[in-house]
Amino acid sequence: EVQLVESGGSLVQPGGSLKLSCVASGFTFSNYWMDWVRQTPGKSLEWIGEINTDGSKTNYAPSIKDRFTISRDNAKSTLYLQMSNVKSDDTAIYYCTRTTVADYWGQGVMVTVSS
Amino acid sequence: DIVLTQSPALAVSLGQRATISCRASQSVSISRYNLMHWYQQKPGQQPKLLIYRASNLASGIPARFSGSGSGTDFTLTINPVQADDIATYYCQQSRESPPTFGGGTKLELK
Repeated sequence: EVQLVESGGSLVQPGGSLKLSCVASGFTFSNYWMDWVRQTPGKSLEWIGEINTDGSKTNYAPSIKDRFTISRDNAKSTLYLQMSNVKSDDTAIYYCTRTTVADYWGQGVMVTVSS
Repeated sequence: DIVLTQSPALAVSLGQRATISCRASQSVSISRYNLMHWYQQKPGQQPKLLIYRASNLASGIPARFSGSGSGTDFTLTINPVQADDIATYYCQQSRESPPTFGGGTKLELK
């Protein structure tokens, strides 16, 4: 059974940093591009970015470029999202997904940016 | 960015047909591939892929769900609607980066 389990969500102050993790199981993690998507409270979904299978290539949404970094550790079947200089607008549920056409989603993790 | 527009809500009776539309600000089709996808999200849950590339049913999705369309206009049809289908439905395009989602259509009971 494919599973994606995110962790690392918390309350963080504006300007702070946070690192989210997503542990994958039930499939060969290293064979798939992986993405991060977020959902703001009561609003729609926003694609954050993606990483290729070996971690050598990333693409990001313009709205978060240069503040967020996506990486992966295929030996640990784990995807990461490093968030820096966070803003109140980054308050959202963050999901990891398998590929951009997301056939599997994690359960999501809440990030709240507030002083 | 490609903007996807959905009606905010649709009221439907159980056992009837529901038609949910999604309009793109520019074509999301390349050759014979229509790069529009549909997701279902129930309250407190993560989204679930229903339809990929406009008309292909994702694994495990009941046949009462179907998708159609090309270019800029796409439709998700649920026929017949069951109580378990009450949820919010999102379209997503992958024709151009960044991939974008519609604002969602909340399916409600009439």
